[in-house]
Amino acid sequence: QSALTQEASVSGTVGQKVTLSCTGSSSNIGSYAVGWYQQISHGAPKAVMFGDSLPSGIPDRFSGSKSGTIASLTISGLQPEDEADYYCSTWDYSLNVWVFGGGTELTVL
Amino acid sequence: EVELVESGGGILQPGGSLRLSCAASGFTFNYYSMHWVRQAPGKGLEWLSYISGSSNTIYYADSVKGRFIVSRDQSSMFLQMNSLRAEDTAVYYCARQRLWGVVDYWGLGTLVTVSS
Repeated sequence: QSALTQEASVSGTVGQKVTLSCTGSSSNIGSYAVGWYQQISHGAPKAVMFGDSLPSGIPDRFSGSKSGTIASLTISGLQPEDEADYYCSTWDYSLNVWVFGGGTELTVL
Repeated sequence: EVELVESGGGILQPGGSLRLSCAASGFTFNYYSMHWVRQAPGKGLEWLSYISGSSNTIYYADSVKGRFIVSRDQSSMFLQMNSLRAEDTAVYYCARQRLWGVVDYWGLGTLVTVSS
């Protein structure tokens, strides 16, 4: 069982806005920035969000936010190339480990 | 351009040992903390180990503590894996830390298969 909880699957149509959530606790999401990583067809993960900052080269339809112990990744204007697995992660100070969510499979219909 | 290249993967029997490398380029390596992460077939990402830029601070996941050892030199990071088990079969990635708990660059990974 993952320390961070994500939806197993989310789907949306092209152009739609979708939000992926990541629920943790005060010792992880409540205390540190959250990273979001996109993995297409089990290739190498790629960072799509550092906290609420967009990495260079990532389209601005991606945005991130956090409220308490819940982090969110929003994709506004979903595109076919956004279909992928998305993982959230951050540090957990109570365990001194980097924790991941179980991943969300995003399907673009 | 930041680049991380893992190497050293292969096929080996349970109980064996293997040393993975992560060659870094395009940035001042000793300024950054680094991580090892793996992904078993059909599974999610699993964090394994952290090493600070100076090597003064190291952490391990419980699943590999006592069996795996992380280290680094001026341009590469290493993962010495001992007493390997079938459940260690995975693609192993190295990643550069940007913020505490957040990484910004990943390598392409190297496959380790443990099978009799």
